[in-house]
Amino acid sequence: EPEVTQTPSHQVTQMGQEVILRCVPISNHLYFYWYRQILGQKVEFLVSFYNNEISEKSEIFDDQFSVERPDGSNFTLKIRSTKLEDSAMYFCASSPQRVYEQYFGPGTRLTVT
Amino acid sequence: DQQVKQNSPSLSVQEGRISILNCDYTNSMFDYFLWYKKYPAEGPTFLISISSIKDKNEDGRFTVFLNKSAKHLSLHIVPSQPGDSAVYFCAASSMNRDDKIIFGKGTRLHILP
Repeated sequence: EPEVTQTPSHQVTQMGQEVILRCVPISNHLYFYWYRQILGQKVEFLVSFYNNEISEKSEIFDDQFSVERPDGSNFTLKIRSTKLEDSAMYFCASSPQRVYEQYFGPGTRLTVT
Repeated sequence: DQQVKQNSPSLSVQEGRISILNCDYTNSMFDYFLWYKKYPAEGPTFLISISSIKDKNEDGRFTVFLNKSAKHLSLHIVPSQPGDSAVYFCAASSMNRDDKIIFGKGTRLHILP
């Protein structure tokens, strides 16, 4: 069964450093998303991406964040200058249509020290 | 701003009995509702969804009920099995307005032997 994959599973970085989280969505899906979950809190929407552009973003997704689909398969989330409060699980998701069942990857745990 | 509320952080149910997980929402623009299941160290897995034009949707052991007037939905699992022990997230979206799914904080379900 096709699945969303994410790398790395765990990333440790120092405050102020740039990180890139990588995702390979399900191959025939058209809509891509990033969510995050701070420990003990709910899963929060960050951004959606369709047709090579951002279709929606949340207040969390400020200028420090960017997304890219550099080739036909990868979907990346870049945090330009990490802060302590960026420490969280970051989930990538994809769906064949808008909003309908979004399929999530296993997540990348980002630890900012 | 809790638009999707799961007021029970945890629930314990005997194996073989019915598990009922509840969810309330505040945003009347929500028109599509989803339940996700999450195991530790994995991403959320889609379980079942319901559109606001329906009041019930059934898939095997899982049934979701929607009461629009009360802004309430519930997930019934019957019979409950040990593998059902996980965190269950209720989620909602406004399909005609935006791409994001809004998650509740989750309910941890323990199936007792």
